[in-house]
Amino acid sequence: DQQVKQNSPSLSVQEGRISILNCDYTNSMFDYFLWYKKYPAEGPTFLISISSIKDKNEDGRFTVFLNKSAKHLSLHIVPSQPGDSAVYFCAASEVSGNTPLVFGKGTRLSVIA
Amino acid sequence: DSGVTQTPKHLITATGQRVTLRCSPRSGDLSVYWYQQSLDQGLQFLIHYYNGEERAKGNILERFSAQQFPDLHSELNLSSLELGDSALYFCASSVVPSGVQETQYFGPGTRLLVL
Repeated sequence: DQQVKQNSPSLSVQEGRISILNCDYTNSMFDYFLWYKKYPAEGPTFLISISSIKDKNEDGRFTVFLNKSAKHLSLHIVPSQPGDSAVYFCAASEVSGNTPLVFGKGTRLSVIA
Repeated sequence: DSGVTQTPKHLITATGQRVTLRCSPRSGDLSVYWYQQSLDQGLQFLIHYYNGEERAKGNILERFSAQQFPDLHSELNLSSLELGDSALYFCASSVVPSGVQETQYFGPGTRLLVL
């Protein structure tokens, strides 16, 4: 039973355009969400997070949007750069329930120059 | 560089054997988490230690065990290894225990291959 789903295994985007990575979750108790980026042969690197009390969080070229009613979040990267090519993992936790992070299977983003 | 170190980077062993994976958290971090990533899978949570005490268990097999030592480094022991245990094993650390909004910082992982 996957509680966090990233339905697109891969995504290709042209350099300079917007990349939109999507994530759906089923557990309505999740209240904290994170995105991690992973390059080959490296561990996941924290990118950006959002609390359930917000619907948007922005950090430079990266913006995360949260739609609680739809149980959906998305990561927008604008403009996309070749160095953004990596696997992106969505993760969620139920902070009040003291539960560990639950990860999606990841989306491989390829930014084409 | 996240500040989390893991050794060894690669490990090749045979079925039935036992291995130990080591993790040193970032300076000041009291929480250590272990994850397994098999082919085409997301990161599966195995176990969480906070300041030497086990805090949460995920889908960790009985053949696997872990501990966190007084200097806060952690070891994950995998025994009676099977082919299906071949995976990437990641360690992550954070300052606080789960229960607050915290970010986990990951090490580079140990790639285990069981032949």
